[in-house]
Amino acid sequence: AQKITQTQPGMFVQEKEAVTLDCTYDTSDPSYGLFWYKQPSSGEMIFLIYQGSYDQQNATEGRYSLNFQKARKSANLVISASQLGDSAMYFCAMREGSGGTSYGKLTFGQGTILTVHP
Amino acid sequence: DTGVSQDPRHKITKRGQNVTFRCDPISEHNRLYWYRQTLGQGPEFLTYFQNEAQLEKSRLLSDRFSAERPKGSFSTLEIQRTEQGDSAMYLCASSAGAWRGTIAKNIQYFGAGTRLSVL
Repeated sequence: AQKITQTQPGMFVQEKEAVTLDCTYDTSDPSYGLFWYKQPSSGEMIFLIYQGSYDQQNATEGRYSLNFQKARKSANLVISASQLGDSAMYFCAMREGSGGTSYGKLTFGQGTILTVHP
Repeated sequence: DTGVSQDPRHKITKRGQNVTFRCDPISEHNRLYWYRQTLGQGPEFLTYFQNEAQLEKSRLLSDRFSAERPKGSFSTLEIQRTEQGDSAMYLCASSAGAWRGTIAKNIQYFGAGTRLSVL
């Protein structure tokens, strides 16, 4: 079974509008972390936001927020006020186990290509 | 504050040749990871170092692949007798380790990758 599922191969959004990128995950480990990365055409993976399984509040980082619904095992990324520079591939990833006792390898989803139109 | 550096950015080689990639992590990071990313897919874990010790290897890492981190700083990934199926982006990431028992973010910061093309 897929551990990380991103069901949207591509998404389009108008500049200055908000967009939600979907991510569902599968784990039986009570301790895990969820990450979103942005990969522009240049190839570098850029860290955006992190949500820990025990975090009580949804994570926010500037225009990025993570809609964490633990019971549904979903961790959707919300980008507010989209900009042309947001056009890129976006990956959801999971680390199982606590950061101190696990080796921390990430399992990635297939990604969603976001295109922002002017 | 320099990020993760990878060299070379691009490598074109002929089938059967050996290639070596280098990764320089963020200086205070003791954890180093290698991933492989094929076109249209998410990165897949290859191997992990904590300081100089290689603590985990994926089944994807065949006998033709070897990775080292001799002094716990930079790392090299070597592929011997390259095959066309080895064509991919090879990504390196580093993170700061956490004390055992704590729940840490362990955020991995990635380099720009080395794109390998095997002809």
